Amino acid sequence: NAGVTQTPKFRILKIGQSMTLQCTQDMNHNYMYWYRQDPGMGLKLIYYSVGAGITDKGEVPNGYNVSRSTTEDFPLRLELAAPSQTSVYFCASSYSQAPNTEAFFGQGTRLTVV
Amino acid sequence: AQTVTQSQPEMSVQEAETVTLSCTYDTSENNYYLFWYKQPPSRQMILVIRQEAYKQQNATENRFSVNFQKAAKSFSLKISDSQLGDTAMYFCAFMKIQGAQKLVFGQGTRLTINP
Repeated sequence: NAGVTQTPKFRILKIGQSMTLQCTQDMNHNYMYWYRQDPGMGLKLIYYSVGAGITDKGEVPNGYNVSRSTTEDFPLRLELAAPSQTSVYFCASSYSQAPNTEAFFGQGTRLTVV
Repeated sequence: AQTVTQSQPEMSVQEAETVTLSCTYDTSENNYYLFWYKQPPSRQMILVIRQEAYKQQNATENRFSVNFQKAAKSFSLKISDSQLGDTAMYFCAFMKIQGAQKLVFGQGTRLTINP
């Protein structure tokens, strides 16, 4: 079972460059999330999606964009990378109907902007 | 908006001891879920235990149990007979049931189990 797959695992970007973090899940979950985790801190929600075609901002959306064209995929786009975006990024998915509301996480992407 | 607070940045206990991690949350919702996630050095997020707010009985999973106090908005995690493999960051998380089910995390507690 693949679960939630994120690519790449590591990336170094130069200031001003752009990139897309890929996330795909094979559990037919309707909810998908993007979080960032700064060193020694908790996870902050960037964007989330309740289903294909529907996305909404989380706590820290500035500098990021998302799309959800299919149930499986939820890419996160960084435009004009800045040092403040250096972080570990996690994608997660969950099913909205009880009792199976557990969120499953990808392995994370460590991004450094220099 | 919901908030989750973990007031213990770090904790350390000896192997085989019992340890309790604290979590409080703020919400106006009546029905919701609460979770404890473990993040070992591998960075993987692992679900430890889940509690539905409408259930009065505290959830248990082997050595892990919770003390859920709905009126006090408190959700602590007790680890019994702690093992070296329990060393990790532990995050408390909240998810409401109605409307957008955003999963909101606390700041985390770094737990170290010493041999």
